[in-house]
Amino acid sequence: GAVVSQHPSWVICKSGTSVKIECRSLDFQATTMFWYRQFPKQSLMLMATSNEGSKATYEQGVEKDKFLINHASLTLSTLTVTSAHPEDSSFYICSARGGTGVETQYFGPGTRLLVL
Amino acid sequence: AQSVTQLDSQVPVFEEAPVELRCNYSSSVSVYLFWYVQYPNQGLQLLLKYLSGSTLVKGINGFEAEFNKSQTSFHLRKPSVHISDTAEYFCACSGNTPLVFGKGTRLSVIA
Repeated sequence: GAVVSQHPSWVICKSGTSVKIECRSLDFQATTMFWYRQFPKQSLMLMATSNEGSKATYEQGVEKDKFLINHASLTLSTLTVTSAHPEDSSFYICSARGGTGVETQYFGPGTRLLVL
Repeated sequence: AQSVTQLDSQVPVFEEAPVELRCNYSSSVSVYLFWYVQYPNQGLQLLLKYLSGSTLVKGINGFEAEFNKSQTSFHLRKPSVHISDTAEYFCACSGNTPLVFGKGTRLSVIA
């Protein structure tokens, strides 16, 4: 149980394009979802927290207009990187919390974004 | 606010030897404590967690950790490591807030 999926696992795009990453909780209802960013050999940096049906709460320094987060249902959250640039290249990982283990966050496999 | 300190950035150990990965936390409220493992180019997998009750918690893959409130520690241990345990290990805490992570410890198991 408590499986979180992400799609796509890899994406390569040209500078200036937008990229959408999907995060799904497969076997539980995720009341809260989180988006993290991880640079090589570093820890995870929380970008934003979203509750189903509400606007996401962004961490300080994260551009809301650049990283659009939608949590439209209890099993799906999306992160859209708008007008991506090479500095946005990173590993993006989503996490979900909910169901019986409301204190535990479960993580997706991550999405590697490379902007050329 | 919470914070997590992983004292060792890298830990090399020979196969079948015991290992301890250290983690200390700081919090003004009661916390939940977690250890996650990350293999290359993958997400995080939950190894074990402490929520309440017994201070010794057992997780997957033969790992265990002990919550020590007086020392504000949650060290991860395994009595005998395998090559397949080579990975990045993250300690994290949560006071019903988003997880706060340590910087990670790279465990390298040497044959």
